[in-house]
Amino acid sequence: DGGITQSPKYLFRKEGQNVTLSCEQNLNHDAMYWYRQDPGQGLRLIYYSQIVNDFQKGDIAEGYSVSREKKESFPLTVTSAQKNPTAFYLCASSPGLAGGNTQYFGPGTRLTVL
Amino acid sequence: AQSVTQLDSQVPVFEEAPVELRCNYSSSVSVYLFWYVQYPNQGLQLLLKYLSGSTLVKGINGFEAEFNKSQTSFHLRKPSVHISDTAEYFCAVFSSGAGSYQLTFGKGTKLSVIP
Repeated sequence: DGGITQSPKYLFRKEGQNVTLSCEQNLNHDAMYWYRQDPGQGLRLIYYSQIVNDFQKGDIAEGYSVSREKKESFPLTVTSAQKNPTAFYLCASSPGLAGGNTQYFGPGTRLTVL
Repeated sequence: AQSVTQLDSQVPVFEEAPVELRCNYSSSVSVYLFWYVQYPNQGLQLLLKYLSGSTLVKGINGFEAEFNKSQTSFHLRKPSVHISDTAEYFCAVFSSGAGSYQLTFGKGTKLSVIP
């Protein structure tokens, strides 16, 4: 089955630690995205990547970093600089960056800072 | 800058009744419009989208939406809801802009279907 996988489903972090969230897709999509979802806030874009070895900041990139070394993988690192990291994180992909493309979402990772 | 307003944060409705979830947007350029659905603790799934052409768009699970350019609205409707429609629904707008990616989501509407 083609789709997007995210791991882990639940993640707990102590303050001051960096953590990396995994996102893998086998849809052969060029574009990938990371969103943060907080209750009542909708989705906010953290980073996006149009192609391998290229990525751009979204609206709330501070305290986060990404890499895109392979087409199918787009890991997100939540650094200790992110002041309020507890949230639900969603990864998505689309065939290209053009606006008419449908985004396909993974099941999400729920991060809790203890 | 574009914005998306979902006018109702929560909508309760009885099973088999009709429902309308409202979405208004602001953008000074041409737009693409989307509705996504999210079931609890899951990712989002596309319901339908408007790119061009007919202003009435039909999607999955019996949902439809109408693009109204003069009112800058894209309301989602279903004539008869089922228990399985209980979920959160997000309206999203993409507008073209030089050098940036601009897909903006609304804050969501939680639809609760009452047996």
